[in-house]
Formats: sequence, C-alpha cells, structure tokens
Amino acid sequence: DVKVTQSSRYLVKRTGEKVFLECVQDMDHENMFWYRQDPGLGLRLIYFSYDVKMKEKGDIPEGYSVSREKKERFSLILESASTNQTSMYLCASSPVVGLGEKLFFGSGTQLSVL
Amino acid sequence: AQSVTQLGSHVSVSEGALVLLRCNYSSSVPPYLFWYVQYPNQGLQLLLKYTTGATLVKGINGFEAEFKKSETSFHLTKPSAHMSDAAEYFCAVSDQNGNKLVFGAGTILRVKS
Repeated sequence: DVKVTQSSRYLVKRTGEKVFLECVQDMDHENMFWYRQDPGLGLRLIYFSYDVKMKEKGDIPEGYSVSREKKERFSLILESASTNQTSMYLCASSPVVGLGEKLFFGSGTQLSVL
Repeated sequence: AQSVTQLGSHVSVSEGALVLLRCNYSSSVPPYLFWYVQYPNQGLQLLLKYTTGATLVKGINGFEAEFKKSETSFHLTKPSAHMSDAAEYFCAVSDQNGNKLVFGAGTILRVKS
C-alpha cells in the first residue's frame, strides 16, 4: 500500500516555539503539499514542492516555511508558533505527470499552540 | 482563480435514503473536479474525479457525480445511504496541470438509523 506518513498525530507547543512537522512518502512522488484544515474553511494550501529543493507558496504561506532536502521528505516549519496556527495539518503527495492525478494524504497532525 | 462552494455544511439523511451533496465551482479554464472523503481521524481519500469525457462519473462505495458545465456544478449522489457513509466530504477543483487543488469548505454527512 502507498503511504504518506506524518510524524506526529498530536502536538502541543507554546507560543513563540519553533515547530517542525515532518512528512514522508514512499511512492517516489515528485509533488508534495502541506494543507491546513479548519472547520468551515476546508483545506487551504500552505506550500507545495514540485521537486527536491524547490518550493512554491500556496494560498496562506505567511508564518510558515518548508524544506525539501530529499525527494521523500517534506517538512513544514513554524518559525515562531502563534495561537492562530492551532489547526489540523495535512501532508499530501502526487505523481508529477498526468492531468487530474489524485493526492495521497497522510492522517494529519493536530497542532495546538498554547 | 478557481473556487469551490459546497452548499450545506451539514447534511443529515436516514439510512437507505438518497444522498445529495452539492458542489458548485468557478474556473476560467476547463476544470478537473474531485470529491474526497474524510473519515474520523483519517486523511482524505479520493471518491471520484472528472477530467474529460463522460460527464457522469462513478466512484467508490456506490457514489457518483455528474459534471454539468452549464450549471458549473458537480454534485455527489448515492441512491441509498449506509451508516458507514457518515464522514466529511470535500469537493475540489484543479487547474489544467492538475497539481494544485482548491478545496471547498466541506460537508459533514450524518446518517440516521
């Protein structure tokens, strides 16, 4: 079975802390994505990456950065966590070619910033 | 820019009844359209997708959706609801590359026994 693994299911951090959310996929996919999910807002794209060391801003990149040093790993970084970043974070991956390719999602990380 | 509107944040149906979840999209180019489902404490899974060709698309678990360009809609239906269908459903639209999805706000489906 294909797999997208997020390192933590639940995470509690304090305001101002630097937070790393890790995501690993085992499908050799080129594309990887970070979304945040909030009730009533659906999923909003934070950042995505088409290849190693490449990144593109999504719709809500403010307060976040990403790192993709290896093809299989895509990290989301909160440089200084704030309470409004409390959310469910979902990582996803997809193949590079093919129109309308589906995304494969991880199970999510519920981050609480206190 | 593309956008998706899902009508109804919560839908409740009785077991065995028709399921209808509404989705309207906005896109300046021919869209690719998706329905994803999220069961409690899980990530999203693809139910079905429309790219080109037949406008009636069949997906997993008995769900189907019809692309209606004139109405800019892609509503999801299932003839007979099952308790296991209780979940949150997301409609999404992509650009021509199909690599970036814009999601709707989601609809939580409740199935009553």
